[in-house]
Amino acid sequence: AQSVTQLGSHVSVSEGALVLLRCNYSSSVPPYLFWYVQYPNQGLQLLLKYTSAATLVKGINGFEAEFKKSETSFHLTKPSAHMSDAAEYFCAVSLYNTDKLIFGTGTRLQVFP
Amino acid sequence: NAGVTQTPKFQVLKTGQSMTLQCAQDMNHNSMYWYRQDPGMGLRLIYYSASEGTTDKGEVPNGYNVSRLNKREFSLRLESAAPSQTSVYFCASSEQRGGADTQYFGPGTRLTVL
Repeated sequence: AQSVTQLGSHVSVSEGALVLLRCNYSSSVPPYLFWYVQYPNQGLQLLLKYTSAATLVKGINGFEAEFKKSETSFHLTKPSAHMSDAAEYFCAVSLYNTDKLIFGTGTRLQVFP
Repeated sequence: NAGVTQTPKFQVLKTGQSMTLQCAQDMNHNSMYWYRQDPGMGLRLIYYSASEGTTDKGEVPNGYNVSRLNKREFSLRLESAAPSQTSVYFCASSEQRGGADTQYFGPGTRLTVL
């Protein structure tokens, strides 16, 4: 069965610092992996997705993630945090050959000035 | 192009009352989904519809029913609301091309059951 685990329900960084949000997946087949962001009182929107074309995936707002098969990881990074990055971030894996998503439990990112 | 719309935005029910959450998308997507979001649990799939006229259970379907009225609309019904159904409900849609499609989410309905 496919699943994702997000390590750390809360992450706090200073403005300008590196953002690293961790996601590990479990899948018996090559996965499709996603990062979604949820700003306060809004729905989710796609940050980026891995669909096997390239292991380093660039998304919106300066975020990127690297698919590492050997580590079964898909960590999200951003070199320099901005106050506007404060949100909840969800990693997700799609069930094979469907668009159904299995979400992680989310990581809330706080950015301090 | 409004994307995915949901009504209502907020709702308070008493235990045992019923209600229907409405969802519509204008992107001509084949698949539609209903999720619930609870603190510390991420999003969990309640029901989904791969195409007009078909629906299937997700991870947490108990206490809910759905209707795929047409390609645009997918409603979620609570027949007899319980406090455990207090949650934020999200509708989403995707093209359904087999695993890599982006899901587009509505703004959510915040439901409280007293």
